[in-house]
Amino acid sequence: GAVVSQHPSWVICKSGTSVKIECRSLDFQATTMFWYRQFPKQSLMLMATSNEGSKATYEQGVEKDKFLINHASLTLSTLTVTSAHPEDSSFYICSARDFYEQYFGPGTRLTVT
Amino acid sequence: DAKTTQPPSMDCAEGRAANLPCNHSTISGNEYVYWYRQIHSQGPQYIIHGLKNNETNEMASLIITEDRKSSTLILPHATLRDTAVYYCIVRLAVGVYGGATNKLIFGTGTLLAVQP
Repeated sequence: GAVVSQHPSWVICKSGTSVKIECRSLDFQATTMFWYRQFPKQSLMLMATSNEGSKATYEQGVEKDKFLINHASLTLSTLTVTSAHPEDSSFYICSARDFYEQYFGPGTRLTVT
Repeated sequence: DAKTTQPPSMDCAEGRAANLPCNHSTISGNEYVYWYRQIHSQGPQYIIHGLKNNETNEMASLIITEDRKSSTLILPHATLRDTAVYYCIVRLAVGVYGGATNKLIFGTGTLLAVQP
């Protein structure tokens, strides 16, 4: 099946710094990529949808200036958490979609101290 | 878009069939039923999907009622590695233009605990 990778798998950063998470579709071209966030014991919450070469569409309540999404190619999307704070600590999961189906990455655990 | 209702948790004995129900009474005619699962601290894994016919693959079977208002995911011989949260989601198929309704929106799912 199609493989989606994320890097890093976990990251610890200090409050006020920015963190970039990469999402790659390894063996297919992703027309659309999605970013989700998951807090402990909760379900996945969709943050934004991005199409290659265009601006991301953010879900209601998600700050677009805080969560910067770049989808520069059909195989790479990045999520940058700017000026991270402890409340941004979460499990971030990307998902990539080709014409047929949607596939998920393994997730990135972000801890802000 | 249609919403789903699932029991919050279920237990199943190892080696037995696990039957996970899902209600989707407001599903529209061109929406599919998708099942994903999430093992602890991992990304969701696709299991199966269907429109109105029953479907089977190497992982599971999907039984959809004739009125399409509910479905059941069947894991024929559950193992300890099947312990996970199982999500039932309804949406348009990927290749069908539908904008927002193509998004995978996760509910609370069912925590399946397979007991030894």
